Amino acid sequence: EAAVTQSPRNKVAVTGGKVTLSCNQTNNHNNMYWYRQDTGHGLRLIHYSYGAGSTEKGDIPDGYKASRPSQENFSLILELATPSQTSVYFCASADGGPDTQYFGPGTRLLVL
Amino acid sequence: GQQVQQSPASLVLQEGENAELQCNFSSTATQLQWFYQRPGGSLVSLLYNPSGTKHTGRLTSTTVTKERRSSLHISSSQITDSGTYFCAMKGGGSAKLIFGEGTKLTVSS
Repeated sequence: EAAVTQSPRNKVAVTGGKVTLSCNQTNNHNNMYWYRQDTGHGLRLIHYSYGAGSTEKGDIPDGYKASRPSQENFSLILELATPSQTSVYFCASADGGPDTQYFGPGTRLLVL
Repeated sequence: GQQVQQSPASLVLQEGENAELQCNFSSTATQLQWFYQRPGGSLVSLLYNPSGTKHTGRLTSTTVTKERRSSLHISSSQITDSGTYFCAMKGGGSAKLIFGEGTKLTVSS
């Protein structure tokens, strides 16, 4: 079973502060994804990556940066956090092609 | 852009009843998956079904690609089936999965 872990699991940040959400996967998957989930919106794709060193914009990238320093790690960075970024963030990995995505447990972020 | 619409938005059943969840998508899907999310939990893949009919346990998914629709049938629902079911699609060689907004299922005794 694919393993995707996220840290922190819960985070309280102040408006204007910098927040970094981390994701690690141990299955050597090429593709990694960051989503946010808000009530009434399902999951929306923020950034994704095809492999180490690559990042691609998803559907709602504004206000977020991503970093993929290695095959295993994919970070989501909020340089200047805003209350509208309060949400639950999920990381996922997949091996490309016709396969499933494996999701991490999620990070609850509250921006005050 | 590509869109995925799910219906109904919510569904309440008595234990033992069957559930039928629908998913419609705006463009040709090369990949179609159904996911389950327990309240407050993460997402788990249930079925990968880009076309035809697939079964696993009490779940049956039927995808008609040229009609841009998929369904998920849950037979003999159980209280533990309660949660939100998401349909997600990929199209045209993209690595992006586009999610619907989910169907919230509540099964009571």
